[in-house]
Amino acid sequence: DIQMTQSPSSLSASVGDRVTIACRASQTISSYLNWYQQKPGKAPKLLIYAASSLQSGVPSRFSGSGSRTDFTLTISSLQPEDFATYYCQQSYSTPPTFGGGTKVEIK
Amino acid sequence: QVQLVQSGAEVKKPGASVKVSCRASGYTFTDYYMHWVRQAPGQGLEWMGRVNPNSGGTNFAQKFQGRVTMTRDTSISTAYMELRSLTSDDTAVYYCARAASGSGYYSDYWGQGTLVTVSS
Repeated sequence: DIQMTQSPSSLSASVGDRVTIACRASQTISSYLNWYQQKPGKAPKLLIYAASSLQSGVPSRFSGSGSRTDFTLTISSLQPEDFATYYCQQSYSTPPTFGGGTKVEIK
Repeated sequence: QVQLVQSGAEVKKPGASVKVSCRASGYTFTDYYMHWVRQAPGQGLEWMGRVNPNSGGTNFAQKFQGRVTMTRDTSISTAYMELRSLTSDDTAVYYCARAASGSGYYSDYWGQGTLVTVSS
């Protein structure tokens, strides 16, 4: 199985900050990388698919980049509703696997 | 609008089985694979498998092979996930999630989750 490693596991930031979350795959996954946001007690929400494509309805302050093994999720200006846990997921091979998550907390 | 509505919380004893349902609406049920993903308390996301609602074909994570069944009833646009021989390690929230782009391994719509608690 492909291992997905996210860093950091948590971070503290203020409203308006630029936030970057990294995700590394244990082998090349081309651009088959997706990002989800999950709030407590809620289901995950798809933000980015295919490394950099913004899911319909997702604010443009979210962006994704990267390819092969190294990927990044960027929130250009953190908003109060963005405090949540973020997961990356590879969909290159079965089983699809998720990173361990990055919790974004209020500073 | 696309909606996935799951069955309610369950409490099971070790060794028992649980069957979770996921009723879909707002799209053509047979056009999109359905994934099942679980999340243990305070933990990350784990893919269990998927079902093709059109053919009934399934793919499972090796970890669950032989212990999980995924089925569907197209007449009521509902997918099911049954997990057998439950242990405390199976305590988790179980999600159904529609495959984006039909058969992709990522998901654009998710159910609300079903908490399954395994306790003696």
